[in-house]
Amino acid sequence: AQSVTQPDIHITVSEGASLELRCNYSYGATPYLFWYVQSPGQGLQLLLKYFSGDTLVQGIKGFEAEFKRSQSSFNLRKPSVHWSDAAEYFCAVGSSGTYKYIFGTGTRLKVLA
Amino acid sequence: NAGVTQTPKFRVLKTGQSMTLLCAQDMNHEYMYWYRQDPGMGLRLIHYSVGEGTTAKGEVPDGYNVSRLKKQNFLLGLESAAPSQTSVYFCASTPGAKLFFGSGTQLSVL
Repeated sequence: AQSVTQPDIHITVSEGASLELRCNYSYGATPYLFWYVQSPGQGLQLLLKYFSGDTLVQGIKGFEAEFKRSQSSFNLRKPSVHWSDAAEYFCAVGSSGTYKYIFGTGTRLKVLA
Repeated sequence: NAGVTQTPKFRVLKTGQSMTLLCAQDMNHEYMYWYRQDPGMGLRLIHYSVGEGTTAKGEVPDGYNVSRLKKQNFLLGLESAAPSQTSVYFCASTPGAKLFFGSGTQLSVL
């Protein structure tokens, strides 16, 4: 069965510091992997996605993520965090076979000025 | 181009009442989804549909029913609402990968 684990519920970083949000998935085949961001009271916005090919994917707002099949991970990174990045981040997994998209429990990011 | 529209945006129910949430998309997407979002639980898939006339159970289907009679609409029904169904409900659609979300429905069951 598909599952997604985001082990960090809350993360606090200082503005300008680097960021890494962890995501581990369980899926039998090669998954589609996504990172979404949700600002308070808002809907979800897609940051980036991985389907196949280059395992390092670039997204919007300066985010990137790396697919590591051997570790079943798809961690999100940003070299320098801005105060406007404070939000909740969700990792999601799906497939072209089932079109069933499952989300992790989210990581809430706080940015200190 | 409205995208994904959810109706209503807010609703308060009493335990045992029934209601239907409507999701409409104007992008001709094949796939549609209903999620619920609860603090600390992320988004959990309730039901989804891979095409007109089809529905499938997600992670937390109990207490909900759905219908996809028209390609552009995906209805979520609560036959007998319970306080445990207090949540924010999101509808989403996709042509195959990126999900497009509605703005959510905040439902309170007293």
